[in-house]
Amino acid sequence: GAGVSQSPSNKVTEKGKDVELRCDPISGHTALYWYRQSLGQGLEFLIYFQGNSAPDKSGLPSDRFSAERTGGSVSTLTIQRTQQEDSAVYLCASSLAPSNEQFFGPGTRLTVL
Amino acid sequence: QKEVEQDPGPLSVPEGAIVSLNCTYSNSAFQYFMWYRQYSRKGPELLMYTYSSGNKEDGRFTAQVDKSSKYISLFIRDSQPSDSATYLCAIGGYQKVTFGTGTKLQVIP
Repeated sequence: GAGVSQSPSNKVTEKGKDVELRCDPISGHTALYWYRQSLGQGLEFLIYFQGNSAPDKSGLPSDRFSAERTGGSVSTLTIQRTQQEDSAVYLCASSLAPSNEQFFGPGTRLTVL
Repeated sequence: QKEVEQDPGPLSVPEGAIVSLNCTYSNSAFQYFMWYRQYSRKGPELLMYTYSSGNKEDGRFTAQVDKSSKYISLFIRDSQPSDSATYLCAIGGYQKVTFGTGTKLQVIP
């Protein structure tokens, strides 16, 4: 079956612009996660959804970051007024349930000029 | 102290060697353990998932968990150049997974 997909695969934007990153989880997976991976760094947890609710937003770095999930499926991560330090790979993962193994998408590589 | 510690490497081994990758963790509430492989410019790929102490084997890969020591390992037998990648450990509790920073492995033909 289809895995987790993310779009776009690459995004180059100018400082100050807003960007939207999309994640399509595996069908039937109730839990969805967003992570950020910077060069040479580990995975930084951003936010977790169970269904359409986000019980844990603790990882969002600032109020410029927001995310939503609709229909228990697709999720969008929005970064407003992008800064150069936002440049990273943004990874989405989904799992059947919160304590199950997570399956990752290919990521969106964001470059802020 | 980080919740999960992983040696970043790089680790370089000859083809055919047995590779040992390790992580330690500090929170005894962690309940399940995963290993991921990540090739350059790709998303992490799940290799192993386990929730109990002991060994779990899948082909050339063996995951080992020692909850009393808060120590997990991934062994790769008969390593191949295609195993060259970054290996991430991930340790989970309820609704939260913490990843190690990854160990970069290079298998030399």
